[in-house]
Amino acid sequence: AQSVTQLDSQVPVFEEAPVELRCNYSSSVSVYLFWYVQYPNQGLQLLLKYLSGSTLVKGINGFEAEFNKSQTSFHLRKPSVHISDTAEYFCAVSYFGNEKLTFGTGTRLTIIP
Amino acid sequence: GAVVSQHPSWVICKSGTSVKIECRSLDFQATTMFWYRQFPKQSLMLMATSNEGSKATYEQGVEKDKFLINHASLTLSTLTVTSAHPEDSSFYICSARTGYEQYFGPGTRLTVT
Repeated sequence: AQSVTQLDSQVPVFEEAPVELRCNYSSSVSVYLFWYVQYPNQGLQLLLKYLSGSTLVKGINGFEAEFNKSQTSFHLRKPSVHISDTAEYFCAVSYFGNEKLTFGTGTRLTIIP
Repeated sequence: GAVVSQHPSWVICKSGTSVKIECRSLDFQATTMFWYRQFPKQSLMLMATSNEGSKATYEQGVEKDKFLINHASLTLSTLTVTSAHPEDSSFYICSARTGYEQYFGPGTRLTVT
């Protein structure tokens, strides 16, 4: 069964500090990987995606993620966070030939002024 | 581009009544739409996959007679919660698929009293 693990349920970070949100997945086949952000009482917005090619993926709002096949990871990073980055972040995976998305449990990022 | 809308954004109904939620892809056609349910501070749970012109595919444990899904056109899918009860109160989110990506609606907050 496919699964996505986000080890950190909550991550507090000081403003302008760097942050890394961790995501690991289980798979024996090719995967597509996504990070979404959800602000309170809103739907999900795509931050970035990995489909193929370069393992370092850049997204919106200064975020980037690196696909590591050997470690089955897709960690999200930002070098300097802002108050506006406070939100819930979800990692998701879909498997080649399967259109469904499987979501991790989410990480709440809180920016401390 | 790739905007998905949901209507209503929030609804309060009495126990035993039915509620219909609409999901529209505004600037693209989507042969496949998805319906998710999200409980407070939790991840998204896929309820069903909706394909235009055919019956929806429900995930295990989701009552298809309670959560009726209709995908009448390439831009519209509806979810009807029949005979709603307080335990059906939740945040319902739809998404529409184009290519390898899913674009999410803003969600509908359902409260059953």
